[in-house]
Amino acid sequence: DVKVTQSSRYLVKRTGEKVFLECVQDMDHENMFWYRQDPGLGLRLIYFSYDVKMKEKGDIPEGYSVSREKKERFSLILESASTNQTSMYLCASLERQGSWEQYFGPGTRLTVT
Amino acid sequence: GQQVMQIPQYQHVQEGEDFTTYCNSSTTLSNIQWYKQRPGGHPVFLIQLVKSGEVKKQKRLTFQFGEAKKNSSLHITATQTTDVGTYFCAGPDSGGGADGLTFGKGTHLIIQP
Repeated sequence: DVKVTQSSRYLVKRTGEKVFLECVQDMDHENMFWYRQDPGLGLRLIYFSYDVKMKEKGDIPEGYSVSREKKERFSLILESASTNQTSMYLCASLERQGSWEQYFGPGTRLTVT
Repeated sequence: GQQVMQIPQYQHVQEGEDFTTYCNSSTTLSNIQWYKQRPGGHPVFLIQLVKSGEVKKQKRLTFQFGEAKKNSSLHITATQTTDVGTYFCAGPDSGGGADGLTFGKGTHLIIQP
């Protein structure tokens, strides 16, 4: 079974803090993604990576950066958290053979106060 | 950019009634995927449709991909309380999905016993 884990289920940070969200997958997938999910807006792609040290902007990259130093780990960084970044953050990895399904982690609910 | 529209946003049904959600893309899709998210959970892959006019069934769920590959539907026959959740359709941004997915905003299925 593919397993995607995220470092925290719930996180509360103050405005201006630097925030790290970690994601680890155990299936040797090359492609990994960060989405945020907001009520009424669905899931929106922030960044993705198709290899170690490679990253590409998604639809809403402003205010975020990412890091992929190892294949299994993809980190989302909020350089200076703001209240409008309060959201559910979902990490996913991609099975490129067969179904092309994305496997999602359990999510991190981030609250910025 | 690509837009994926999904209707309805909410659907209330009595247990045992049928349910349908519709998905429309602003562009022709190479494939379309469907995900289900239970309350408090993360999206879980249901199926991928690739061929024009394709119909696939999973027990009480029937998925269709339009002839023009721009629309899709999910139909659930005789809903059960286990069907509660949000159903998302998603189309690949490019490369079949390797660059991420554009999700519809989802249809929340609420079942009254």
